Amino acid sequence: QQQVKQSPQSLIVQKGGISIINCAYENTAFDYFPWYQQFPGKGPALLIAIRPDVSEKKEGRFTISFNKSAKQFSLHIMDSQPGDSATYFCAASHTGGGNKLTFGTGTQLKVEL
Amino acid sequence: EPEVTQTPSHQVTQMGQEVILRCVPISNHLYFYWYRQILGQKVEFLVSFYNNEISEKSEIFDDQFSVERPDGSNFTLKIRSTKLEDSAMYFCASSGTEGKTQYFGPGTRLLVL
Repeated sequence: QQQVKQSPQSLIVQKGGISIINCAYENTAFDYFPWYQQFPGKGPALLIAIRPDVSEKKEGRFTISFNKSAKQFSLHIMDSQPGDSATYFCAASHTGGGNKLTFGTGTQLKVEL
Repeated sequence: EPEVTQTPSHQVTQMGQEVILRCVPISNHLYFYWYRQILGQKVEFLVSFYNNEISEKSEIFDDQFSVERPDGSNFTLKIRSTKLEDSAMYFCASSGTEGKTQYFGPGTRLLVL
């Protein structure tokens, strides 16, 4: 029940295209859903996060869509650039769980010219 | 911009040896975490620490692991007797008063031979 399922495992997108990564969860106690970007050999960097009281949050080219009833959330990267090539992790946490983050399995994104 | 720092960046040790991984969280943060990431896998929660005590720990965090905040700035993870399977990237993270948004350090790559 603590798992967060992420898909796809890898994704290739053309420059300027839209990258979409999906996550699903089971634990309805989760109340915070961040997305992290990780480059090889580096730590995860927070990109954007959402709470379940809103259905969408946009920051620049990055948008989270959240569907509480389906227990799903997704990351959309608009106008994808080669510099966006990285591994993306969704995660979830809840206050009752000490705010520990449960991570998805990651998506390797490659943006081609 | 404040950031989490970790030392060393790489550590090689022999099986059975003790290692101490060090972290300096963001200065006004109150919540501290350790995560690990085995090569090519997802990030896994180890332990959270608040108000000078462990608030939650995972199954991975057994008696061989301990955490300490020896002074006002450092946060350490000790592995008493390392095993081959402890080889991983270890990330420290911290969050502020709201306890949700976690910022990760660059990690320590631990290799146990």
